[in-house]
Amino acid sequence: EAEVAQSPRYKITEKSQAVAFWCDPISGHATLYWYRQILGQGPELLVQFQDESVVDDSQLPKDRFSAERLKGVDSTLKIQPAELGDSAMYLCASSLDSPNYGYTFGSGTRLTVV
Amino acid sequence: AQSVAQPEDQVNVAEGNPLTVKCTYSVSGNPYLFWYVQYPNRGLQFLLKYITGDNLVKGSYGFEAEFNKSQTSFHLKKPSALVSDSALYFCAVRDDTGRRALTFGSGTRLQVQP
Repeated sequence: EAEVAQSPRYKITEKSQAVAFWCDPISGHATLYWYRQILGQGPELLVQFQDESVVDDSQLPKDRFSAERLKGVDSTLKIQPAELGDSAMYLCASSLDSPNYGYTFGSGTRLTVV
Repeated sequence: AQSVAQPEDQVNVAEGNPLTVKCTYSVSGNPYLFWYVQYPNRGLQFLLKYITGDNLVKGSYGFEAEFNKSQTSFHLKKPSALVSDSALYFCAVRDDTGRRALTFGSGTRLQVQP
């Protein structure tokens, strides 16, 4: 069964350092999402891509977060500088280009900022 | 705007008993509704969805959900709970335009006691 790949699985970083997460969606999935899930809460959308274009980044803290999907395939989410409040699970998901389909999620990256 | 409410932080049920996890939603237009399950330090796994048609939707692992338009609800059910069903369950909604990403509820922890 096809999977969404994410790396690293776990990341510990110091406050004010830069950190990056990578996601490789299921082949053929045009839409890619990055969600942040704070412990005990539901996932919240950070950014949505359609191919290489950003569709929605209204909830992305753009002063410190950036996301790209240069060739419309894999994607990178970066935080610089990291803050203590950024500690969370960062989830990547992909889907076919139709509202009828659900998302396939990766296993996530657990970020701890110390 | 679209939103999901999961009024119970935790649901406790004995193994073999029926379970219900509640979800209500708000969305403009017709709702597309989803249930996902999350195990510790993992991504979300798709359980079932309602797009259109029969109000009772059957999904993975014996789960089903009932769509009630008048009550704007989409409760998750299972006739006989298993200890292995213990996990975090998320309800999600999107409108039928497909332009907006899924909005998730805050999650309900299901604890099935042997």
